[in-house]
Amino acid sequence: AQSVSQHNHHVILSEAASLELGCNYSYGGTVNLFWYVQYPGQHLQLLLKYFSGDPLVKGIKGFEAEFIKSKFSFNLRKPSVQWSDTAEYFCAVTGYSSASKIIFGSGTRLSIRP
Amino acid sequence: DADVTQTPRNRITKTGKRIMLECSQTKGHDRMYWYRQDPGLGLRLIYYSFDVKDINKGEISDGYSVSRQAQAKFSLSLESAIPNQTALYFCATRSAGRDTDTQYFGPGTRLTVL
Repeated sequence: AQSVSQHNHHVILSEAASLELGCNYSYGGTVNLFWYVQYPGQHLQLLLKYFSGDPLVKGIKGFEAEFIKSKFSFNLRKPSVQWSDTAEYFCAVTGYSSASKIIFGSGTRLSIRP
Repeated sequence: DADVTQTPRNRITKTGKRIMLECSQTKGHDRMYWYRQDPGLGLRLIYYSFDVKDINKGEISDGYSVSRQAQAKFSLSLESAIPNQTALYFCATRSAGRDTDTQYFGPGTRLTVL
């Protein structure tokens, strides 16, 4: 079955702490992977994406994610978080074709203490 | 101007009423989607459309219907609203290119069914 698991439902960190949010997926074949961010009261925005090539991808606002094919994982990282990173983060996976279904994880709420 | 717009942004209605949520886009994308977001459940796909004549059910289509009036417009209807349809509803488009596969989300409609 196709699925995305985000193990951390709510993460609370202090400013300047390092962040890693877990994402594991189950999806047959070649995959495209995404992280979306939803700031309070706003719509989802693309943070970063992986299609092929270098498994370490860099996104906006200092975020990066590493695709580890053997572990079916695509964890999101940031070396030093800021209060403005408070948001909900969604991992998503889809197949090679843009006609493939997109499967979203249940989201991780990140709260940053100033 | 926003690329994906939704109206209304907020709606409170009563059980049994018919409700229509509208979505318009200026991205020029053929693919459009309706999701609902519930706390702890992430985004769940209600319906999606690959073009005006191609409409498909998602994982939770019961109780909903859609209409793709034009490439730029995709409406979601609740024929007889019930309280467990209280949620945040997002419309999204999707670019078709293999290397540009990304979803673009509208601002959301917060629907409350009393």
